[in-house]
Amino acid sequence: AQSVTQLDSQVPVFEEAPVELRCNYSSSVSVYLFWYVQYPNQGLQLLLKYLSGSTLVKGINGFEAEFNKSQTSFHLRKPSVHISDTAEYFCAALMDTGRRALTFGSGTRLQVQP
Amino acid sequence: NAGVMQNPRHLVRRRGQEARLRCSPMKGHSHVYWYRQLPEEGLKFMVYLQKENIIDESGMPKERFSAEFPKEGPSILRIQQVVRGDSAAYFCATGWDPSGANVLTFGAGSRLTVL
Repeated sequence: AQSVTQLDSQVPVFEEAPVELRCNYSSSVSVYLFWYVQYPNQGLQLLLKYLSGSTLVKGINGFEAEFNKSQTSFHLRKPSVHISDTAEYFCAALMDTGRRALTFGSGTRLQVQP
Repeated sequence: NAGVMQNPRHLVRRRGQEARLRCSPMKGHSHVYWYRQLPEEGLKFMVYLQKENIIDESGMPKERFSAEFPKEGPSILRIQQVVRGDSAAYFCATGWDPSGANVLTFGAGSRLTVL
């Protein structure tokens, strides 16, 4: 079965510290990968995406992610977080099976503390 | 998110009533996806529609739920005879092409509370 796993439900971190949010996927076919951010009571905003090419993808707000095919991972990183980064982060995958719907992970709550 | 309009933003219904959620795509978008987010969970795919066609409804519950995207007007997700378990946030996302690289734009969601 195709799935997306976010191992950490919550990640507390101090302001200006680095952070990594983990995402693993299971798929036997080609896959496109996405990270979305959701602020309280809002919809999802695209942070970055991997479609092909360079495995290191840079997104908005200083975030980046690295596609690792051998590890089937797409971890999200930021070298120095701000209070305003506090939000829910979702990893998602679009499997190249002809089914066009995104499969989402269960989300990781990033809590940035002063 | 301002481009994809969902309404109502909040909806309260009693058990047994009907809920209608509307989604107006961004200009130029003809593909609509509905997702449901239960408390403390990620988004689960429900249905994918193009104008006047349901393309993939594999995530829709078999009963009480229906969706449409008419030639004119918004896409509508309809839930009949709501139960407490239907309480969730319902998001629509729209796109302009069906390819795998399609990047979807999400609305702000409609939060349904069933009393």
